Amino acid sequence: GNSVTQMEGPVTLSEEAFLTINCTYTATGYPSLFWYVQYPGEGLQLLLKATKADDKGSNKGFEATYRKETTSFHLEKGSVQVSDSAVYFCALTFNYGQNFVFGPGTRLSVLP
Amino acid sequence: ETGVTQSPTHLIKTRGQQVTLRCSSQSGHNTVSWYQQALGQGPQFIFQYYREEENGRGNFPPRFSGLQFPNYSSELNVNALELDDSALYLCATSDSRSYNEQFFGPGTRLTVL
Repeated sequence: GNSVTQMEGPVTLSEEAFLTINCTYTATGYPSLFWYVQYPGEGLQLLLKATKADDKGSNKGFEATYRKETTSFHLEKGSVQVSDSAVYFCALTFNYGQNFVFGPGTRLSVLP
Repeated sequence: ETGVTQSPTHLIKTRGQQVTLRCSSQSGHNTVSWYQQALGQGPQFIFQYYREEENGRGNFPPRFSGLQFPNYSSELNVNALELDDSALYLCATSDSRSYNEQFFGPGTRLTVL
């Protein structure tokens, strides 16, 4: 079946450090890929997405590129802030929101 | 434009009881999906409703059931609660014209004792 694997957390960084959270997927075909963020006590918010190979999603300084060859969608940010502290989920789907498959999440803590 | 709202925020039940969780769609959204998020894990897809009909289901037993109303709000019902049903239940709404743009509510935290 379809699945998403993320690097285990927690990830702890100092403010202004470079962030990478790895995400790889297993799927039959070519899904759309997403990163969602969950702040404490809140629901999930869409951070960015890419719908086909080589697409780059970007938002709020975060970027991720859909790599078909390595079945990956790694999340990066050049300079993290304390306000980026949250749990980040990588996810995939093939169609209209059915069967969103989420990874286990990676908790990020950014220290001042 | 109002966002996705869920009620109640927290709920405590005992094993064997039944529970109903509610979700109000973001304005204009005709599709509702429900997810179960166990502590420390990613959300797991339960089912989706579109125009009051179930439109896909994940690997959950029949005691998990749902409804969607003409105003696109939705209910998730769970019968014969088990301890493992303790989780955060999230609903997400979308407009079928906006490909894969799902907007999540804050969730209902269910504790089964």
